[in-house]
Amino acid sequence: QVQLQQWGAGLLKPSETLSLTCAVYGGSFSGYYWSWIRQPPGKGLEWIGEINHSGSTNYNPSLKSRVTISVDTSKKQFFVKLSSVTAADTAVYFCARRASAGVNKFIFYFDYWGQGTLVTVSS
Amino acid sequence: DIQMTQSPSSLSASVRDRVNITCRASQTISSYLNWYQQKPGNAPKPLIYAASSLHSGVPSRFSGSGSGTDFTLTISSLQPEDFATYYCQQSYTAPRTFGQGTKVEIK
Repeated sequence: QVQLQQWGAGLLKPSETLSLTCAVYGGSFSGYYWSWIRQPPGKGLEWIGEINHSGSTNYNPSLKSRVTISVDTSKKQFFVKLSSVTAADTAVYFCARRASAGVNKFIFYFDYWGQGTLVTVSS
Repeated sequence: DIQMTQSPSSLSASVRDRVNITCRASQTISSYLNWYQQKPGNAPKPLIYAASSLHSGVPSRFSGSGSGTDFTLTISSLQPEDFATYYCQQSYTAPRTFGQGTKVEIK
Protein backbone atom coordinates (compact mmCIF):
# COMPACT_ATOMS: atom_id res chain seq x y z
CA GLN A 1 0.00 0.00 0.00
CA VAL A 2 1.36 3.37 -1.02
CA GLN A 3 1.51 6.07 1.64
CA LEU A 4 2.69 9.65 1.37
CA GLN A 5 3.79 11.35 4.57
CA GLN A 6 4.65 15.02 4.57
CA TRP A 7 6.09 17.47 7.03
CA GLY A 8 7.52 20.97 7.32
CA ALA A 9 7.25 24.27 9.13
CA GLY A 10 3.68 25.40 9.69
CA LEU A 11 4.18 29.05 10.62
CA LEU A 12 6.21 31.49 8.55
CA LYS A 13 6.75 35.23 8.48
CA PRO A 14 6.32 37.23 5.28
CA SER A 15 9.39 37.03 3.00
CA GLU A 16 10.53 33.69 4.45
CA THR A 17 10.86 30.48 2.46
CA LEU A 18 8.34 27.67 2.75
CA SER A 19 9.95 24.24 2.83
CA LEU A 20 8.10 20.91 2.87
CA THR A 21 9.13 17.29 2.51
CA CYS A 22 7.05 14.35 1.27
CA ALA A 23 8.19 10.77 1.85
CA VAL A 24 6.83 7.85 -0.17
CA TYR A 25 6.34 4.51 1.53
CA GLY A 26 5.47 1.38 -0.43
CA GLY A 27 5.32 1.03 -4.17
CA SER A 28 7.73 2.24 -6.80
CA PHE A 29 9.21 5.73 -6.79
CA SER A 30 10.45 5.80 -10.35
CA GLY A 31 7.96 5.80 -13.17
CA TYR A 32 5.75 8.45 -11.61
CA TYR A 33 5.53 12.18 -11.38
CA TRP A 34 5.29 13.55 -7.84
CA SER A 35 3.26 16.68 -7.29
CA TRP A 36 2.55 19.49 -4.89
CA ILE A 37 -0.95 20.98 -4.67
CA ARG A 38 -2.24 23.63 -2.28
CA GLN A 39 -5.61 24.72 -0.96
CA PRO A 40 -6.17 28.09 0.74
CA PRO A 41 -8.57 27.87 3.69
CA GLY A 42 -12.11 27.42 2.44
CA LYS A 43 -11.06 27.58 -1.20
CA GLY A 44 -10.26 25.31 -4.12
CA LEU A 45 -7.18 23.39 -5.23
CA GLU A 46 -4.17 24.89 -6.99
CA TRP A 47 -1.50 22.76 -8.65
CA ILE A 48 2.00 23.98 -7.78
CA GLY A 49 4.18 21.66 -9.82
CA GLU A 50 5.63 18.19 -10.25
CA ILE A 51 8.85 16.23 -10.57
CA ASN A 52 9.82 12.75 -11.70
CA HIS A 53 12.53 10.48 -10.31
CA SER A 54 15.14 11.85 -12.71
CA GLY A 55 14.46 15.45 -11.71
CA SER A 56 12.39 16.61 -14.66
CA THR A 57 10.02 19.31 -13.45
CA ASN A 58 6.89 21.19 -14.50
CA TYR A 59 5.73 24.27 -12.62
CA ASN A 60 2.62 26.41 -12.50
CA PRO A 61 3.60 29.61 -14.32
CA SER A 62 1.85 31.65 -11.62
CA LEU A 63 4.41 30.41 -9.05
CA LYS A 64 7.36 29.47 -11.24
CA SER A 65 9.54 32.41 -10.23
CA ARG A 66 9.34 31.45 -6.54
CA VAL A 67 9.05 27.65 -6.45
CA THR A 68 11.60 24.86 -6.59
CA ILE A 69 10.70 21.17 -6.48
CA SER A 70 13.49 18.65 -5.98
CA VAL A 71 13.84 14.93 -5.35
CA ASP A 72 16.03 12.50 -3.41
CA THR A 73 15.43 9.15 -5.08
CA SER A 74 17.59 7.25 -2.60
CA LYS A 75 15.29 8.27 0.23
CA LYS A 76 12.09 8.21 -1.88
CA GLN A 77 11.44 11.81 -0.91
CA PHE A 78 10.58 14.95 -2.78
CA PHE A 79 10.53 18.54 -1.65
CA VAL A 80 9.04 21.94 -2.33
CA LYS A 81 10.48 25.33 -1.56
CA LEU A 82 8.50 28.52 -2.07
CA SER A 83 10.38 31.74 -1.54
CA SER A 84 9.25 35.20 -0.47
CA VAL A 85 5.98 34.01 0.99
CA THR A 86 3.10 36.37 1.76
CA ALA A 87 -0.27 35.93 3.44
CA ALA A 88 -1.64 34.83 0.05
CA ASP A 89 0.48 31.67 0.35
CA THR A 90 -1.38 30.58 3.48
CA ALA A 91 -2.85 27.22 2.58
CA VAL A 92 -2.93 23.51 3.22
CA TYR A 93 -0.19 22.02 1.08
CA PHE A 94 -0.60 18.47 -0.23
CA CYS A 95 1.85 16.17 -1.89
CA ALA A 96 0.41 13.65 -4.34
CA ARG A 97 1.38 10.93 -6.78
CA ARG A 98 0.49 11.46 -10.42
CA ALA A 99 -0.47 8.07 -11.80
CA SER A 100 -0.77 7.27 -15.45
CA ALA A 101 -3.55 5.00 -16.64
CA GLY A 102 -2.45 3.38 -19.86
CA VAL A 103 -0.07 4.38 -22.61
CA ASN A 104 -1.86 7.65 -23.42
CA LYS A 105 0.33 10.32 -21.79
CA PHE A 106 -2.65 12.59 -21.20
CA ILE A 107 -4.50 10.07 -19.04
CA PHE A 108 -3.25 10.58 -15.52
CA TYR A 109 -4.64 11.61 -12.20
CA PHE A 110 -3.60 12.10 -8.58
CA ASP A 111 -4.25 8.75 -6.93
CA TYR A 112 -2.38 8.96 -3.63
CA TRP A 113 -2.18 12.06 -1.46
CA GLY A 114 -0.33 13.11 1.67
CA GLN A 115 -2.25 14.15 4.74
CA GLY A 116 -1.73 17.86 4.10
CA THR A 117 0.25 20.48 5.98
CA LEU A 118 -1.27 23.79 6.99
CA VAL A 119 1.20 26.59 6.34
CA THR A 120 0.27 29.96 7.80
CA VAL A 121 2.10 33.14 6.81
CA SER A 122 1.72 35.86 9.39
CA SER A 123 3.85 38.57 10.90
CA ASP B 1 -4.32 28.24 -18.60
CA ILE B 2 -7.42 26.11 -19.10
CA GLN B 3 -10.21 27.34 -16.82
CA MET B 4 -12.49 24.75 -15.28
CA THR B 5 -15.95 25.91 -14.20
CA GLN B 6 -18.23 23.72 -12.11
CA SER B 7 -21.94 24.11 -11.56
CA PRO B 8 -23.62 24.38 -9.27
CA SER B 9 -21.24 25.66 -6.59
CA SER B 10 -23.39 23.93 -4.00
CA LEU B 11 -26.51 21.82 -3.87
CA SER B 12 -28.79 20.30 -1.28
CA ALA B 13 -30.00 16.78 -1.81
CA SER B 14 -31.54 13.89 0.09
CA VAL B 15 -30.31 10.34 0.53
CA ARG B 16 -31.19 8.23 -2.53
CA ASP B 17 -31.44 11.29 -4.77
CA ARG B 18 -29.76 11.30 -8.16
CA VAL B 19 -27.18 14.09 -8.33
CA ASN B 20 -25.48 15.61 -11.35
CA ILE B 21 -22.51 17.97 -11.20
CA THR B 22 -21.22 19.59 -14.34
CA CYS B 23 -17.76 20.81 -15.28
CA ARG B 24 -16.97 22.96 -18.28
CA ALA B 25 -13.49 23.56 -19.70
CA SER B 26 -12.52 26.84 -21.35
CA GLN B 27 -11.16 24.89 -24.33
CA THR B 28 -11.44 21.35 -25.55
CA ILE B 29 -9.67 18.78 -23.41
CA SER B 30 -10.88 15.63 -25.18
CA SER B 31 -11.63 13.14 -22.37
CA TYR B 32 -8.78 14.19 -20.10
CA LEU B 33 -10.92 15.02 -17.11
CA ASN B 34 -10.78 13.66 -13.57
CA TRP B 35 -13.11 13.91 -10.58
CA TYR B 36 -12.22 13.94 -6.87
CA GLN B 37 -14.17 13.87 -3.61
CA GLN B 38 -12.99 15.81 -0.57
CA LYS B 39 -14.34 15.74 2.96
CA PRO B 40 -13.46 18.43 5.55
CA GLY B 41 -9.97 18.03 6.96
CA ASN B 42 -8.98 15.35 4.46
CA ALA B 43 -7.09 15.15 1.22
CA PRO B 44 -9.08 14.71 -1.99
CA LYS B 45 -9.77 11.18 -3.13
CA PRO B 46 -9.94 10.14 -6.78
CA LEU B 47 -13.29 8.99 -8.15
CA ILE B 48 -13.18 9.09 -11.94
CA TYR B 49 -10.35 9.48 -14.44
CA ALA B 50 -10.38 9.99 -18.20
CA ALA B 51 -13.94 11.32 -17.93
CA SER B 52 -15.65 7.97 -17.35
CA SER B 53 -13.26 5.41 -15.85
CA LEU B 54 -13.88 4.47 -12.24
CA HIS B 55 -10.89 4.54 -9.89
CA SER B 56 -10.30 1.25 -8.08
CA GLY B 57 -12.59 0.74 -5.10
CA VAL B 58 -15.02 3.53 -5.96
CA PRO B 59 -18.69 2.49 -5.72
CA SER B 60 -20.53 1.99 -8.99
CA ARG B 61 -23.13 4.63 -8.07
CA PHE B 62 -20.52 7.16 -9.23
CA SER B 63 -20.20 7.66 -12.97
CA GLY B 64 -18.74 10.22 -15.32
CA SER B 65 -19.51 11.28 -18.85
CA GLY B 66 -18.63 13.89 -21.42
CA SER B 67 -15.89 14.92 -23.80
CA GLY B 68 -14.58 18.06 -25.40
CA THR B 69 -15.55 20.86 -23.03
CA ASP B 70 -18.57 19.56 -21.10
CA PHE B 71 -18.50 16.85 -18.46
CA THR B 72 -20.83 15.44 -15.84
CA LEU B 73 -20.33 13.55 -12.59
CA THR B 74 -23.41 11.56 -11.60
CA ILE B 75 -24.20 9.96 -8.28
CA SER B 76 -27.08 7.63 -9.03
CA SER B 77 -28.34 7.20 -5.47
CA LEU B 78 -26.82 9.56 -2.93
CA GLN B 79 -25.60 7.89 0.25
CA PRO B 80 -24.87 9.54 3.63
CA GLU B 81 -21.11 9.16 3.09
CA ASP B 82 -21.32 11.06 -0.23
CA PHE B 83 -21.92 14.45 1.37
CA ALA B 84 -18.68 16.20 0.46
CA THR B 85 -17.12 18.64 -2.00
CA TYR B 86 -16.39 17.44 -5.52
CA TYR B 87 -13.70 18.80 -7.83
CA CYS B 88 -12.99 18.28 -11.50
CA GLN B 89 -9.42 18.53 -12.87
CA GLN B 90 -8.05 18.53 -16.41
CA SER B 91 -5.00 16.50 -17.35
CA TYR B 92 -4.76 17.77 -20.94
CA THR B 93 -2.02 20.28 -20.31
CA ALA B 94 0.04 22.06 -17.68
CA PRO B 95 -0.75 23.80 -15.48
CA ARG B 96 -3.09 21.11 -14.20
CA THR B 97 -6.20 23.06 -13.21
CA PHE B 98 -9.15 22.27 -10.99
CA GLY B 99 -12.72 23.45 -10.89
CA GLN B 100 -13.76 25.58 -7.93
CA GLY B 101 -15.65 22.73 -6.33
CA THR B 102 -19.26 21.70 -5.76
CA LYS B 103 -20.40 21.17 -2.19
CA VAL B 104 -23.09 18.53 -1.78
CA GLU B 105 -25.08 19.13 1.40
CA ILE B 106 -27.88 17.32 3.17
CA LYS B 107 -31.37 18.64 2.49
